[in-house]
Amino acid sequence: QQQVKQSPQSLIVQKGGISIINCAYENTAFDYFPWYQQFPGKGPALLIAIRPDVSEKKEGRFTISFNKSAKQFSLHIMDSQPGDSATYFCAASSYNFNKFYFGSGTKLNVKP
Amino acid sequence: NAGVTQTPKFRVLKTGQSMTLLCAQDMNHEYMYWYRQDPGMGLRLIHYSVGEGTTAKGEVPDGYNVSRLKKQNFLLGLESAAPSQTSVYFCASSYPTGPGGNNYEQYFGPGTRLTVT
Repeated sequence: QQQVKQSPQSLIVQKGGISIINCAYENTAFDYFPWYQQFPGKGPALLIAIRPDVSEKKEGRFTISFNKSAKQFSLHIMDSQPGDSATYFCAASSYNFNKFYFGSGTKLNVKP
Repeated sequence: NAGVTQTPKFRVLKTGQSMTLLCAQDMNHEYMYWYRQDPGMGLRLIHYSVGEGTTAKGEVPDGYNVSRLKKQNFLLGLESAAPSQTSVYFCASSYPTGPGGNNYEQYFGPGTRLTVT
């Protein structure tokens, strides 16, 4: 059973547009929700993360929106740039679990 | 500071052969992980370790073994490789951060691309 469900699988956005990637989870014990960015041939790298005591976190052009009651969270990339073209993974974790569950990934292509 | 390194970068095995993937980190992290990445399936946890001398099973442990004899190294072994183990393998390490120490930023290595024929 997939613990974290991610959509869409792929996304094409024009330069300057907003990219939105969604994730949903079931286990209410999760208390840490990171997003990772992966470029071809590289390992994933932490982009931004949120804990469930806040509904939004913003770092530059990247924002996480978190809806605890719906058990959903999303990544918004404002003013998307060709350099943002990568695969994005959401994940969820709990201190008690000592491990992460990842979504299936979203391949973002930002067209110039 | 090299971060997380993985050896080898690429490997081709025949069915039934064995091999060991090495992960090393120089950040003094307690936690280390092995994942496999397959198209459309994201990252799936194989095994992990919360400290030297301890290991635990993840989501997809069958066909793999691990050892953590030294804090900085985490080895992943395939005793008898199968075509289903063709994948890209990532190692990661982490330490608790944030309030209460319950945020975990994971640092990933560059990956090992393994093909089993």
